[in-house]
Amino acid sequence: EAGVAQSPRYKIIEKRQSVAFWCNPISGHATLYWYQQILGQGPKLLIQFQNNGVVDDSQLPKDRFSAERLKGVDSTLKIQPAKLEDSAVYLCASNDRVDIQYFGAGTRLSVL
Amino acid sequence: GNSVTQMEGPVTLSEEAFLTINCTYTATGYPSLFWYVQYPGEGLQLLLKATKADDKGSNKGFEATYRKETTSFHLEKGSVQVSDSAVYFCALVYGGATNKLIFGTGTLLAVQP
Repeated sequence: EAGVAQSPRYKIIEKRQSVAFWCNPISGHATLYWYQQILGQGPKLLIQFQNNGVVDDSQLPKDRFSAERLKGVDSTLKIQPAKLEDSAVYLCASNDRVDIQYFGAGTRLSVL
Repeated sequence: GNSVTQMEGPVTLSEEAFLTINCTYTATGYPSLFWYVQYPGEGLQLLLKATKADDKGSNKGFEATYRKETTSFHLEKGSVQVSDSAVYFCALVYGGATNKLIFGTGTLLAVQP
């Protein structure tokens, strides 16, 4: 069974530029999560989708971050414009109806 | 609110040493508890879990027991190997259908041969 796929693995941008990350969850997983992991900290949930609907986006900085999951499968997370403090690893995870989440390898973003 | 506190690292051990990484939690209700491991360059992987008080989760020689009276879920292994070097995260799930994970800050384990 293929795992959660994320791309790109690394991205370097300058502040005020925009960036997008892509995630393909495990086939059949209805729930998809985006986490932000700042160096030295644990992952923090940004947004959770159930199929193509948003379940929780309370921690998403909506003035600059957006996410979508149009067909209930792949998802894209966008930052526009990026700030220095957005430098982090962005993790995507998915699960079905059980409580175990499966994580992708993440996208490491450096904002200069 | 709900939170997880785990011991700061790095933890440096020699091969075959005994490992303990402390984790305590604060939560309303009865969360499920997890240990996730992150090997260098990889995503998080579930190591073990426990869903109710006194449950013991175990995997790959690692164990952790859900202690409701002390709100703890300490990770232990009797004999570590170099290949266990990684960052270990304690986490809890609350919220019923949302399955929202709350993570600790992570503990870096470095095992020396």
